[in-house]
Amino acid sequence: QQQVKQSPQSLIVQKGGISIINCAYENTAFDYFPWYQQFPGKGPALLIAIRPDVSEKKEGRFTISFNKSAKQFSLHIMDSQPGDSATYFCAASGAGGYNKLIFGAGTRLAVHP
Amino acid sequence: DAGVTQSPTHLIKTRGQQVTLRCSPKSGHDTVSWYQQALGQGPQFIFQYYEEEERQRGNFPDRFSGHQFPNYSSELNVNALLLGDSALYLCASSLAGTGQSTEAFFGQGTRLTVV
Repeated sequence: QQQVKQSPQSLIVQKGGISIINCAYENTAFDYFPWYQQFPGKGPALLIAIRPDVSEKKEGRFTISFNKSAKQFSLHIMDSQPGDSATYFCAASGAGGYNKLIFGAGTRLAVHP
Repeated sequence: DAGVTQSPTHLIKTRGQQVTLRCSPKSGHDTVSWYQQALGQGPQFIFQYYEEEERQRGNFPDRFSGHQFPNYSSELNVNALLLGDSALYLCASSLAGTGQSTEAFFGQGTRLTVV
């Protein structure tokens, strides 16, 4: 029940295309859903996050879509660029203010010029 | 404003030894969480410190212990190192929420290699 399932494992997109990464969760007590971007040898960097009372959040080229009834959320990267090539992790955190993050397995994105 | 800083960046230890990793949280943050990230996997929660006490713990053995200091910085200690402890150890800082999760920011990690 604490798992977050992420797909696909890897993704290849052409420059200018849309990258879509999906995640699903079981625990309805989760109240915060962030996405992190990680480059090789670096720590994860917070990209964008959403709470379950909102169905969509957009920041620049990055959009989170959230479907509370289906217990699914996704990251859309518009106009994908080679510099977006990285590993992306979805995560979920439970209520209570403890900020314990449960991570998905990650998606390795490659954007080809 | 300095972000989350971790030291050292790389470390090589021999099986059976002990290791201490350090973390300074982002300015204004009072909560430190530690994660282990094996190669090609997502980070796994080890434990969290708030008000100098361990507040939550993941599924890790007692060989993993920690400490938080009055200035909110934290240490992760691992005893009796195993080859399987080789991983990237990440520190995340956040501000304790009042019943709601808040943003967590990660350091660059410490790459631990056990030989």
